Amino acid sequence: NAGVTQTPKFRVLKTGQSMTLLCAQDMNHEYMYWYRQDPGMGLRLIHYSVGEGTTAKGEVPDGYNVSRLKKQNFLLGLESAAPSQTSVYFCASRYSASYEQYFGPGTRLTVT
Amino acid sequence: DAKTTQPPSMDCAEGRAANLPCNHSTISGNEYVYWYRQIHSQGPQYIIHGLKNNETNEMASLIITEDRKSSTLILPHATLRDTAVYYCLWGAGNNRKLIWGLGTSLAVNP
Repeated sequence: NAGVTQTPKFRVLKTGQSMTLLCAQDMNHEYMYWYRQDPGMGLRLIHYSVGEGTTAKGEVPDGYNVSRLKKQNFLLGLESAAPSQTSVYFCASRYSASYEQYFGPGTRLTVT
Repeated sequence: DAKTTQPPSMDCAEGRAANLPCNHSTISGNEYVYWYRQIHSQGPQYIIHGLKNNETNEMASLIITEDRKSSTLILPHATLRDTAVYYCLWGAGNNRKLIWGLGTSLAVNP
């Protein structure tokens, strides 16, 4: 099992550009999450999904959109990137009956 | 908010027990305590969770006070590979409202 994978690992964007971060898991987990982590702050939940075709807002959803068209994939989109979105983005997943979240390796995004 | 209070940093000698405290004084009766750790810049790793009783697994032990307002994560024989940031969180079982603080940066020294 690859576990949770994230694509890409690094990216530099200019302000106003758009991009999509891909999270994939091969553990058949129902729940998936997108977090961001900034220096001096803990992880903050952006959006999450409790199943295919469903998404919900987390703590800091503004400026991001998500989609869960397939159970194994959770996409995070930035329509118009801003420097404030410079961060490390982590994806996580878990079984609905478990309390353990499995995290991906992260995507480092810089917006200039 | 589901805030926790943890010391920002701790040191531990290799081979000794590391005891990491956490205060969660506003936790509700049906909310769990979770511990994760983050080694360097990797994704966080689940360690253990508990509700009322003390818990133990292959990684660590979790001691929860009777009033549930605080807990302690115990790494019984710390190794250099246990150097990491340790996060204490709490929330309902569905994980949806977990709030991540800054954690405790544990340095295990040879």
